[in-house]
Amino acid sequence: EIVLTQSPATLSLSPGERATLSCRTSQSISSNLAWHQQKPGQPPRLLIFHASNRATGIPARFSGSGSGTDFTLTISSLEPGDFAVYYCQHDSTWPYTFGQGTKLEIK
Amino acid sequence: EVQLVESGGGLVQTGGSLRLSCAASGFTFTNYWMSWVRQAPGKGLEWVAYIKQDGSQTYYVDSVKGRFTISRDNAKNSLYLQMNSLTAEDTAVYYCARGSIGAWGQGALVTVSS
Repeated sequence: EIVLTQSPATLSLSPGERATLSCRTSQSISSNLAWHQQKPGQPPRLLIFHASNRATGIPARFSGSGSGTDFTLTISSLEPGDFAVYYCQHDSTWPYTFGQGTKLEIK
Repeated sequence: EVQLVESGGGLVQTGGSLRLSCAASGFTFTNYWMSWVRQAPGKGLEWVAYIKQDGSQTYYVDSVKGRFTISRDNAKNSLYLQMNSLTAEDTAVYYCARGSIGAWGQGALVTVSS
């Protein structure tokens, strides 16, 4: 099973600041990585697929990068609605797994 | 617009069974693998089961193998999860998801209690 490790566990920032979230995998997954956002009481929402492709309707301030074992989600300028939990997830080989999540909170 | 609507959740006793359904619309159901993903209260996400477009291949996380069965009815654009021998560790919100990366349904809460 491929293990995904996200860092930091919690990130405290202010609106307008830049957020950088990291996801490291226990073995290479090429670009088979997605990022999801989840707000309390809501289902996850797909943000990024195949490491760097924005899903339909996702604002350009969200960007993904990386390949192999190291990946990054960047939010260029935080808006109030961006404070949530972010999960990375691979779909390289079964079982697909998620990271433990990064909570992005308002400073 | 892609829509995935789960149903069938509820309270069940330890050792009992439950069948979840997911009604899909807004996309060509037969073009996609489909998934069930769960989230225990206050916890992270866990991929539970995965099924090929024609139902000929299925995959399960180890913790549910032999107890859960994923299936689909392409004529009805529907996905199912039959859950047997349920334990407290199966208590979670179960999400229907398209493919291996989402879109996501709203989820169905399954609570297993003695």
